[in-house]
Amino acid sequence: NAGVTQTPKFRILKIGQSMTLQCTQDMNHNYMYWYRQDPGMGLKLIYYSVGAGITDKGEVPNGYNVSRSTTEDFPLRLELAAPSQTSVYFCASTEQRVRDEQFFGPGTRLTVL
Amino acid sequence: DAKTTQPNSMESNEEEPVHLPCNHSTISGTDYIHWYRQLPSQGPEYVIHGLTSNVNNRMASLAIAEDRKSSTLILHRATLRDAAVYYCINYGQNFVFGPGTRLSVLP
Repeated sequence: NAGVTQTPKFRILKIGQSMTLQCTQDMNHNYMYWYRQDPGMGLKLIYYSVGAGITDKGEVPNGYNVSRSTTEDFPLRLELAAPSQTSVYFCASTEQRVRDEQFFGPGTRLTVL
Repeated sequence: DAKTTQPNSMESNEEEPVHLPCNHSTISGTDYIHWYRQLPSQGPEYVIHGLTSNVNNRMASLAIAEDRKSSTLILHRATLRDAAVYYCINYGQNFVFGPGTRLSVLP
């Protein structure tokens, strides 16, 4: 089991560029999440999904989009990158919301210049 | 989503027990209490979770107050590898992370 994998590990973007952060889990979990973590802060929820084809906004969704076409994959799209999106992005998954642990990926460190 | 309150930082000596407190005074009856930790430059790692009863696993113990408004994560013998930021989460709908407690372990 690879668990939750994320690519790329690091990325530098210029203002206005776009990119997709990839997240894949091999545990057949229905619930998947995207968080961002700014320096010295806790994680904030961007988007989440309760199953293929179903997504919803979290606390800080502006500037991001997601899709969930398969159980395994939950990509996060940044359109028109801004310096405020410089952060570390974590993807996570869980089998059951609330009752089960969340498994986190290693993160993607994004810098927007 | 309900929020939790934790001390900003704590210090412990190696091989001594550590008690990390958390207040979650607005917890609902069906909310679980989760604890995660985050080592430098890594993603959060699950530690333990519970609903009402105290819980034990190979990493730690979780003591939950009878009124469920607070809980304590217990590391029985702190090691240098336990130095991390520990997050207590009142898990109702979605995770709401606070700033956590930064635990330092002194040799």
